Amino acid sequence: DAMVIQNPRYQVTQFGKPVTLSCSQTLNHNVMYWYQQKSSQAPKLLFHYYDKDFNNEADTPDNFQSRRPNTSFCFLDIRSPGLGDAAMYLCATSRDRNQPQHFGDGTRLSIL
Amino acid sequence: TQLLEQSPQFLSIQEGENLTVYCNSSSVFSSLQWYRQEPGEGPVLLVTVVTGGEVKKLKRLTFQFGDARKDSSLHITAAQPGDTGLYLCAGLFSGNTPLVFGKGTRLSVIA
Repeated sequence: DAMVIQNPRYQVTQFGKPVTLSCSQTLNHNVMYWYQQKSSQAPKLLFHYYDKDFNNEADTPDNFQSRRPNTSFCFLDIRSPGLGDAAMYLCATSRDRNQPQHFGDGTRLSIL
Repeated sequence: TQLLEQSPQFLSIQEGENLTVYCNSSSVFSSLQWYRQEPGEGPVLLVTVVTGGEVKKLKRLTFQFGDARKDSSLHITAAQPGDTGLYLCAGLFSGNTPLVFGKGTRLSVIA
């Protein structure tokens, strides 16, 4: 059974049109992460939540925002997607920051 | 900045061959993880190593953690097409900083 679920698996949006990606978990983990992964590259951490505490990476563009309304759900909002934002977006969870991460299958975002 | 170097970046081999991929850092890891990612899917955790000199086996995969906890290797014996994927090492350093990923080794095993 999937423990980290991302919806949708594929998302197409228009240049500049806001888009929201969602992630849910059944593991009751404290930490939730959002990564951006472009073709043939390693995942790049955008930000993470430790419980309700939001931690943004220094080089994450302001265009990217996140919400975590409860333990189970976390959202990635891209306010004005550009062509360079086309990528796979991965959600992951871990019990604590120093614990292994469990990944969802990702949402592949395309920008028209 | 704590960096992980993975090598080789790309590897294409014939079915049945053996291979080793490497993960190195100038800093000491508190622990290190290896993930495999198949196309269109998220990374899947293969193993976590914690103790210097530790060796773990997962079927045909052997993971080794360096004595100084600055490097690790993944050895695959008799590779099969099903081993094809992106192999990522990810290290935890001190404190509560999240995982640092290497750039990955993209393995292709040809039947």
